[in-house]
Amino acid sequence: AQTVTQSQPEMSVQEAETVTLSCTYDTSENNYYLFWYKQPPSRQMILVIRQEAYKQQNATENRFSVNFQKAAKSFSLKISDSQLGDTAMYFCAFMMGTGNQFYFGTGTSLTVIP
Amino acid sequence: DSGVTQTPKHLITATGQRVTLRCSPRSGDLSVYWYQQSLDQGLQFLIQYYNGEERAKGNILERFSAQQFPDLHSELNLSSLELGDSALYFCASSVATGSGFYNEQFFGPGTRLTVL
Repeated sequence: AQTVTQSQPEMSVQEAETVTLSCTYDTSENNYYLFWYKQPPSRQMILVIRQEAYKQQNATENRFSVNFQKAAKSFSLKISDSQLGDTAMYFCAFMMGTGNQFYFGTGTSLTVIP
Repeated sequence: DSGVTQTPKHLITATGQRVTLRCSPRSGDLSVYWYQQSLDQGLQFLIQYYNGEERAKGNILERFSAQQFPDLHSELNLSSLELGDSALYFCASSVATGSGFYNEQFFGPGTRLTVL
């Protein structure tokens, strides 16, 4: 079975600073996808960024970027120029290439301090 | 707005009762996924349907069941409810399953179930 581990239950960052959230996963699959989802206080799940395992290039989406280390099974999220609206719970997620099942980490609660 | 709708938004019921949660996927999405998020917990995958057929099963209790109808909407049935079933239940949809096919999931707003 696949597992996703987020070892930082809570983090904080000063507004405009950069923060990195960690995620590791365990799988024997070679074809899979990785995601970071954001869940603000509204509890809506919002996709932040995605990465295909077969792509070596790290995904970026505006202020959000990932550091994907396939051999190490690591998938960290970097948020640059943190904004107050980034305050949320962040979940790392793994999906097998067949599209069946989604595995979520336990989340990291990020607080951006003004 | 993700395009995925869930009803009802809130549901309060008593132990031992049975409830049905409804999900309408985004237009064109064939896959529906159900998740349970207990208080301050991550999301637990329950079950997935693809074009009306069960595709994958996660940590779904025997008291829970789901189905996907020909119009692709899905229902999650929870019976013999217990206090511990109180949670936020999410539905998500994606275009399809298949190796090599990108399958981003779009989440609905969730149904908050409270069992008293």
